[in-house]
Amino acid sequence: GAGVSQSPRYKVAKRGQDVALRCDPISGHVSLFWYQQALGQGPEFLTYFQNEAQLDKSGLPSDRFFAERPEGSVSTLKIQRTQQEDSAVYLCASSLTYRREGREQYFGPGTRLTVT
Amino acid sequence: TQLLEQSPQFLSIQEGENLTVYCNSSSVFSSLQWYRQEPGEGPVLLVTVVTGGEVKKLKRLTFQFGDARKDSSLHITAAQPGDTGLYLCAGGAAGNKLTFGGGTRVLVKP
Repeated sequence: GAGVSQSPRYKVAKRGQDVALRCDPISGHVSLFWYQQALGQGPEFLTYFQNEAQLDKSGLPSDRFFAERPEGSVSTLKIQRTQQEDSAVYLCASSLTYRREGREQYFGPGTRLTVT
Repeated sequence: TQLLEQSPQFLSIQEGENLTVYCNSSSVFSSLQWYRQEPGEGPVLLVTVVTGGEVKKLKRLTFQFGDARKDSSLHITAAQPGDTGLYLCAGGAAGNKLTFGGGTRVLVKP
């Protein structure tokens, strides 16, 4: 079946613009995660959904970052008033369940955001 | 804050050589996962280890989870150019979120 898809793959924004990044998880996957990966670094956790409920948003760097998953499938990560330090690859991952069996995370290709 | 440190950060070897990548933490993790990531792509899961002392083999790759579940290693035997990539370890804990190491960039030259 289809994997995790993300759009757009590349986004260039001028400083101060708002952006919206979309994630389509694997069909039927309960859990959805967003990570931020700076150049040359490992991914860092941003936020986690179980169905439509956002259970953990401890990794969001500021109140300019907002994520939603209103119907428990597609998710959108929104960044308001983008800053240069927001430039990174934003990765989305989904997993079948939150239980021990089936919670391996499958990643999408990421959206590379460049703020100029 | 749980941290995972990977070493080395970069490894360049010739085809046919062996290599080992290390992942260490001062914290205990419920599980440890290894991923490989290629440029422009998301990380791809290689293996999950959950039991202290566990050893898993995947063709030429051998993964080990430390007895205390704080460290892990990835060993590749007879590396091939297709093994080139960024290797990431990630620890799982409460809430299912993953804590990633900084990655080890491996280059296998033909």
